[in-house]
Amino acid sequence: EVQLVESGGGLVQPGRSLRLSCAASGFTFDDYAMHWVRRAPGKGLEWVSSISWNSGSIAYADSVKGRFTISRDNTKNSLYLQMNSLRAEDAALYYCAKAGGSTAPYYYYMDVWGKGTTVTVSS
Amino acid sequence: SALTQPASVSGSPGQSITISCTGTSSDVGSYNVVSWYQHHPAKAPKPLIYDGSERPSGVSNRFSGSKSGNTASLTISGLQAEDEADYYCCSYAGSSTWVFGGGTKLTVL
Repeated sequence: EVQLVESGGGLVQPGRSLRLSCAASGFTFDDYAMHWVRRAPGKGLEWVSSISWNSGSIAYADSVKGRFTISRDNTKNSLYLQMNSLRAEDAALYYCAKAGGSTAPYYYYMDVWGKGTTVTVSS
Repeated sequence: SALTQPASVSGSPGQSITISCTGTSSDVGSYNVVSWYQHHPAKAPKPLIYDGSERPSGVSNRFSGSKSGNTASLTISGLQAEDEADYYCCSYAGSSTWVFGGGTKLTVL
């Protein structure tokens, strides 16, 4: 069974850091790009960051650029999100998601999602 | 900026509804790869449509997608109670970035 399991969320003070992890199983992890997507309370889904299969292509939403770093370890089938200088507006349920395929058109959608990990930013 | 969706839509069981998703020539208009997701609270989002109009394996044919210019649409026919959820469109926006719509809450009356 294809599965993504996020972890690492929690309560953190503004300005502090947190590292999220996503453990993948049931598919060949290093064949696929991966994404982080978040949903803040009362708001909609927001794409946060993406990373290609070999980490050669990385992108961020403007809202997190310069503060968040996405990475992956294909030997451990794991995806990470290092979040620094956290703000109240970063509080959200963070999902990792798998690209639907390695080529178009499947590359452009997210076919498997985890259940998310909650980040709360508060003093 | 987020793609524009209506905040809410509603319909009775058996009816059809359509959710629009308006972007720009930099996202929806440039890339024919809009995807749609259904999100029930406390569950993982579920893909319904990819590549504008294609359904992933296992998705009911009651869900269909289309696109015209900078606007994509999701139509749900034969509404069922379990369709009540939030729906999001998503488009590739170039340079390895993606953008979601603001989300639409579907109420089945």
